[in-house]
Amino acid sequence: ETGVTQSPTHLIKTRGQQVTLRCSSQSGHNTVSWYQQALGQGPQFIFQYYREEENGRGNFPPRFSGLQFPNYSSELNVNALELDDSALYLCASSLGLPANGYTFGSGTRLTVV
Amino acid sequence: DQQVKQNSPSLSVQEGRISILNCDYTNSMFDYFLWYKKYPAEGPTFLISISSIKDKNEDGRFTVFLNKSAKHLSLHIVPSQPGDSAVYFCAATQNYGGATNKLIFGTGTLLAVQP
Repeated sequence: ETGVTQSPTHLIKTRGQQVTLRCSSQSGHNTVSWYQQALGQGPQFIFQYYREEENGRGNFPPRFSGLQFPNYSSELNVNALELDDSALYLCASSLGLPANGYTFGSGTRLTVV
Repeated sequence: DQQVKQNSPSLSVQEGRISILNCDYTNSMFDYFLWYKKYPAEGPTFLISISSIKDKNEDGRFTVFLNKSAKHLSLHIVPSQPGDSAVYFCAATQNYGGATNKLIFGTGTLLAVQP
């Protein structure tokens, strides 16, 4: 059973640019969530996808958008990057039952300069 | 508005002793609580969860206690091992019956287990 894989592991972008981060969910998991973890903070919920539809969104502006594909993999897109977008972006997959936990990937470290 | 709080940024414990990590929450509608462990350069790893209808859940060396009246939960690790050294996050979620079960995390506690 493979876990959650994210790519790339590290990325440096310039303010104003756009970025796409990718996530392959754990086998059999149909729900994917994205989190942003700033330095010294806990992960913050960005949004969740279930069966290719956005299924809930945190307090993030519309320039944060996403997709989920039929194989349950997912993308996070961020437009018009700002310096404060520098963070670790985590993808988590699940079968939707909180008692079983959510499986996280190792994250993508995004630096905006 | 920080709905889940971990007020101790760090904790140091001797190997073999008990580690107690604490977490407070403000939202009485939370119905599941989870603990995650995170090593540097890795994603959080799920440790243990507890439903709001329980007051204790145990899994090997890890036990989580929930005190709903105090809106407080704690994770006990007995005995502590050097490999337990990591950042521990408390998280809570509200089950919308199949809809979004977003996790709300605390800021984490860095546990250092001294050999």
